[in-house]
Amino acid sequence: QAVVTQEPSFSVSPGGTVTLTCGLNSGSLSTNNYPSWYQQTPGQAPRTLIYNTNTRSSGVPDRFSGSILGNKAALTITGAQADDESDYYCVLYMGSGIWVFGGGTKLTVL
Amino acid sequence: DVQLVESGGGLVQPGGSLRLSCSASGFTFSSYSMHWVRQAPGKGLEYVSAITSNGGNTFYADSVRGRFTLSRDNSKNTLYLQMSSLRDEDTAVYYCLKGAIGALFSREGWDFWGQGALVTVSS
Repeated sequence: QAVVTQEPSFSVSPGGTVTLTCGLNSGSLSTNNYPSWYQQTPGQAPRTLIYNTNTRSSGVPDRFSGSILGNKAALTITGAQADDESDYYCVLYMGSGIWVFGGGTKLTVL
Repeated sequence: DVQLVESGGGLVQPGGSLRLSCSASGFTFSSYSMHWVRQAPGKGLEYVSAITSNGGNTFYADSVRGRFTLSRDNSKNTLYLQMSSLRDEDTAVYYCLKGAIGALFSREGWDFWGQGALVTVSS
């Protein structure tokens, strides 16, 4: 089964820019994997940030953007704020109705 | 506003059964696929199951296929997840999600999440 990889943790300074990535252990990822990104703060349900690689969900500020960088999907946060400190999950479509989540990245803003 | 409210969680013994419900409001329930994602304590997310807008097609992850049954009642705006032969590893918060369209698969994925229902399988 495909394994979706994410950095376990990352840190960014307030006001800084950070790029989180999402890859496939089996090789290159493409837009046909329709990567999506979710933000989860402790004790809360996840919130949809980005879907279909680079489309922001309703109400998501434009500080959050999605893209494909090389052979990975990427979530870039510009002008990081304290309340961006969360867990971020990506998910990839593998075909046949199967979506596989990455293990998540814990982002610290300090 | 879209609201998804899960209910029916609780403590159940291994081998037991439980039914989760997801009550939906704020959108035309019968037009959208619905999905379940779960999260074991302190762990990541796992895609579990999905159903088309008319209930005609379903999807199950390998980990639950044959034990879980997903259904919906569009007249009641409610989604049901019947879980049986429960195992310790089914312990998780179960989230109900709204799909972006009526089909099982959408490149847009899911746009709204419920707050989740905790299922604990333990003797």
